Amino acid sequence: QKEVEQDPGPLSVPEGAIVSLNCTYSNSAFQYFMWYRQYSRKGPELLMYTYSSGNKEDGRFTAQVDKSSKYISLFIRDSQPSDSATYLCAMSGGGFKTIFGAGTRLFVKA
Amino acid sequence: GAGVSQSPSNKVTEKGKDVELRCDPISGHTALYWYRQSLGQGLEFLIYFQGNSAPDKSGLPSDRFSAERTGGSVSTLTIQRTQQEDSAVYLCASLRNWGETEAFFGQGTRLTVV
Repeated sequence: QKEVEQDPGPLSVPEGAIVSLNCTYSNSAFQYFMWYRQYSRKGPELLMYTYSSGNKEDGRFTAQVDKSSKYISLFIRDSQPSDSATYLCAMSGGGFKTIFGAGTRLFVKA
Repeated sequence: GAGVSQSPSNKVTEKGKDVELRCDPISGHTALYWYRQSLGQGLEFLIYFQGNSAPDKSGLPSDRFSAERTGGSVSTLTIQRTQQEDSAVYLCASLRNWGETEAFFGQGTRLTVV
């Protein structure tokens, strides 16, 4: 079993839809939970991060962490074609190095 | 430069040849990762360097793959006797320290083995 599981997609949605991207993990020691966005032919860039459990909102993006279920989510409201990218979850802390999910490819159709 | 630099950006090589991929991390960053990314497999961890500690090589897929990091800065990933399944984008990332939340990625090296 991988330390972090993430559905690779692709996920295709119409413009304006609410997108839900998810990861599960096995190591309960992780404390920091990150989401990276990667556009085509670019390196991933940090989108947002959350410490421990709870929600964090940044514009149209909301990151949610449920440590009891070892489950994290990224919600995108009013999705736009410019949101089309690969989204990677990552986690770290508790004495462990950063671990990345494989990434989910998202396509938002105009 | 201010970011992570990888070279070459593209590499086409013949099956059986050796290749070297280079990563220049952000100055002062102590942690450095190599990943491989392909459509079928997504992002795969290869190797991790942290300061002067022994590297974590647990992600290297075979003994044809090796990496070193000289002087705690520049890193080179070497693939010997390349195979077609080695075709992928190889990404390097550096962090200020192993516990940091933000990893800074290079643009990657797109390797094609023909």
